Amino acid sequence: KAGVTQTPRYLIKTRGQQVTLSCSPISGHRSVSWYQQTPGQGLQFLFEYFSETQRNKGNFPGRFSGRQFSNSRSEMNVSTLELGDSALYLCASSLIATGGGEQYFGPGTRLTVT
Amino acid sequence: DQQVKQNSPSLSVQEGRISILNCDYTNSMFDYFLWYKKYPAEGPTFLISISSIKDKNEDGRFTVFLNKSAKHLSLHIVPSQPGDSAVYFCAANYGGSQGNLIFGKGTKLSVKP
Repeated sequence: KAGVTQTPRYLIKTRGQQVTLSCSPISGHRSVSWYQQTPGQGLQFLFEYFSETQRNKGNFPGRFSGRQFSNSRSEMNVSTLELGDSALYLCASSLIATGGGEQYFGPGTRLTVT
Repeated sequence: DQQVKQNSPSLSVQEGRISILNCDYTNSMFDYFLWYKKYPAEGPTFLISISSIKDKNEDGRFTVFLNKSAKHLSLHIVPSQPGDSAVYFCAANYGGSQGNLIFGKGTKLSVKP
């Protein structure tokens, strides 16, 4: 079974631009979550989607948004990029959206804002 | 305010010995606690989890202990192997939602041959 895939793997953008990152979950998984990893803050939860509905949202500004499609693929968008948005963005999928089961993480998209 | 804390940024252990990684939390509403391992340039990989109604869960060389009164959990790796060298993250979630994980900042484990 193919794992979680994220595209692109690396991205360089300029301050003020916007960016869209894509995540394809493991086949059959309906829950997708996004996380931001930075050296100072560690891994921080952005949002979670299940069956095309946002279930939870972390403490990030409205410039960060996401969506999930009917095939469970998800995208996240960051508008008006700031230097501080430079980070590794990780996507994770799980079969269900409740309980303590594991989430499967993708390799991440490394975003650099200059 | 950090809800999940890993106070040791790094840990060095000899091969064959026990590795003990610690994690403290502040939110008594957490339902599940999980440990993830992360190698450079890869996403985190799930290791083991424990429900808040249990105090121990074991899977091969990995055992997680939960002390709810102290709001503390630990991951024991016995015996430690060089391939265990990685960054270990403690995480927790609550409200029945699996996708909303609160992570600690990680502990870098180095297992020396």
